[in-house]
Amino acid sequence: DTAVSQTPKYLVTQMGNDKSIKCEQNLGHDTMYWYKQDSKKFLKIMFSYNNKELIINETVPNRFSPKSPDKAHLNLHINSLELGDSAVYFCASSQPGLAHNEQFFGPGTRLTVL
Amino acid sequence: AQSVTQLDSQVPVFEEAPVELRCNYSSSVSVYLFWYVQYPNQGLQLLLKYLSGSTLVKGINGFEAEFNKSQTSFHLRKPSVHISDTAEYFCAVSEWKGSQGNLIFGKGTKLSVKP
Repeated sequence: DTAVSQTPKYLVTQMGNDKSIKCEQNLGHDTMYWYKQDSKKFLKIMFSYNNKELIINETVPNRFSPKSPDKAHLNLHINSLELGDSAVYFCASSQPGLAHNEQFFGPGTRLTVL
Repeated sequence: AQSVTQLDSQVPVFEEAPVELRCNYSSSVSVYLFWYVQYPNQGLQLLLKYLSGSTLVKGINGFEAEFNKSQTSFHLRKPSVHISDTAEYFCAVSEWKGSQGNLIFGKGTKLSVKP
């Protein structure tokens, strides 16, 4: 029973296109995140949503826009894709109110921009 | 702000040998520490966590880590590794900014187990 799921697993597209990645969690968590993992495996947080409200928005181009239709879903829309957007994108969730912030991760979406 | 340093970017080791992956954190207040593992082409999976209590924490797949407050370290160990342990390992520390919590990750250590 998948806890955090992402679709698609692989996404290959041309520069300038607009694409979306979907994330869903069935853990009943209130907080969801998007991370970007570059080719050197470095994990960088992009966004954090708490119960459909944007909490963290790190220095990310405004071409990236998260959208949360409900607290179980956090989708990532990317406009005007660039070569440098190629990376693996991970969705995660956690339950606020727990001091330790343990996060549960999805399987990742590998985005390749040609 | 908190930070996490993983001193080794790559650790090659032979099968059945012991291994230690090093992690140091910067916080001087109460900390919550994690080790996550990422197998090839997969997401991150929690290996173990330190929240409080015993400083020796046991995790899945025979891994353990020791919390050392005086040295601000949380090194990961396994007495005998298998080929299947080949993966990227991330150390993380919990951080709070106002009312919002988050995890700060190290840059990862690639463990390569050779036959």
